[in-house]
Amino acid sequence: EAGVAQSPRYKIIEKRQSVAFWCNPISGHATLYWYQQILGQGPKLLIQFQNNGVVDDSQLPKDRFSAERLKGVDSTLKIQPAKLEDSAVYLCASSRLGNSYNEQFFGPGTRLTVL
Amino acid sequence: AQSVTQLDSQVPVFEEAPVELRCNYSSSVSVYLFWYVQYPNQGLQLLLKYLSGSTLVKGINGFEAEFNKSQTSFHLRKPSVHISDTAEYFCAVSDRTEAAGNKLTFGGGTRVLVKP
Repeated sequence: EAGVAQSPRYKIIEKRQSVAFWCNPISGHATLYWYQQILGQGPKLLIQFQNNGVVDDSQLPKDRFSAERLKGVDSTLKIQPAKLEDSAVYLCASSRLGNSYNEQFFGPGTRLTVL
Repeated sequence: AQSVTQLDSQVPVFEEAPVELRCNYSSSVSVYLFWYVQYPNQGLQLLLKYLSGSTLVKGINGFEAEFNKSQTSFHLRKPSVHISDTAEYFCAVSDRTEAAGNKLTFGGGTRVLVKP
C-alpha cells in the first residue's frame, strides 16, 4: 500500500510570494489533515477534511492560508502572501473514517523556507 | 481542549543505556495517547498508542509506555537504546469523544541523541 505522498519536498521563496503544497492521501482514506511544524516545536493542526468538507479549520490563518480538497482525494494548501514566520515543515496525514480510533499516517512533509 | 507537555527538550544517552522520555497531558475529557518518532527529514511514525485496557503499552523497536491516569502522564521507556534510536520523539493526545476527528495535539518534542 502506497503511503501519503507530498510535493514538493523543499521550497524556498521570498516573503510576500505565494506557494502551494500538494498532498495525495492513502487510497480509501476519507480524512485528511494538514499540520504545520515550526522548527523546535510539535506539529500543529491547520485544517482537517472529511471527504471534501472541512471539519476543523480553527487554527488556519485564513487571511493568508487556504486549502481545498476537490473530489475528496488530493489536497492543496496555499499561502499567499508568505511571511517569514511561515517557515516550517508542512505535514499531510490521512486516516480512515470511523466511529472509533483510526490511525493517522503521515507524509514526509514539505519544508518551506521564507527569506 | 487538550495540552501536552514534554518535560525534556533534549536527552543525551549512551548506547545500550536505558532512556525515559516524560510526557504529561491536560484534558477535560478522556483521551487516546500516542508516541510518535520522527527521523531526520522524514514524517512521523507511530511508535505506540494507548486506547484502552492495560496501562502498559508495548510498541515497535522495543519501546514501551505506561499510562498513569492519576498523574496524567504517559512516559516512554526503552531499556537499551541503539544509535539508530537517535531521533525526535513526540507525545500526542486525541479527544476520545471526537468520533469523526481523531485530531492530534502534540507536545513540543524530545530530541534523543544516542552516543557511542
